[in-house]
Amino acid sequence: AQSVTQLGSHVSVSEGALVLLRCNYSSSVPPYLFWYVQYPNQGLQLLLKYTSAATLVKGINGFEAEFKKSETSFHLTKPSAHMSDAAEYFCAVSETGTGRRALTFGSGTRLQVQP
Amino acid sequence: EPEVTQTPSHQVTQMGQEVILRCVPISNHLYFYWYRQILGQKVEFLVSFYNNEISEKSEIFDDQFSVERPDGSNFTLKIRSTKLEDSAMYFCASIKEHSGANVLTFGAGSRLTVL
Repeated sequence: AQSVTQLGSHVSVSEGALVLLRCNYSSSVPPYLFWYVQYPNQGLQLLLKYTSAATLVKGINGFEAEFKKSETSFHLTKPSAHMSDAAEYFCAVSETGTGRRALTFGSGTRLQVQP
Repeated sequence: EPEVTQTPSHQVTQMGQEVILRCVPISNHLYFYWYRQILGQKVEFLVSFYNNEISEKSEIFDDQFSVERPDGSNFTLKIRSTKLEDSAMYFCASIKEHSGANVLTFGAGSRLTVL
């Protein structure tokens, strides 16, 4: 079975500060990992994905995430927060090679950016 | 860029009524999904569909739910007798094939309010 834990349901940063959103996963097989962003009243937009290539993954809007197998983590970072980054962020995992392709999402982290 | 289209964007219904939520996946995609998000909670997997049959479903997807692809383009989720707890945002998603390079594309969602 697979699961995702996102530490911190709310994170608040100042504009220009580092953004760090934490995600730990559990999977019985090598995982695919994803970060999605949800702006108010909108759907889920893919930020970035890890699919067993480079462990440091760069996504849209200046975000990146690093896959660390030893720590079972896939934390999302951005060097400098912008007001437009305020949204809900979801980490998700899917299992490779099992035929089960559905994504399992974490509970989400709401990012607030203070001026 | 191709999109997953969902209708209606918002539906209000009385408890016990039947509801059909519609989705038009991306035209060359082969795998289809429904997820739901109860307000303030995580995105939960409901069902996946491939080759005109359900390939996987969660424990949430009980007998009151059904899916079908009636005409080769639409992918529908039917809730036979809605309950208050069915109030949620329902997301449709699709993917062309299950390889590392591909990710789920989500629609903007259909908000269902059961009174």
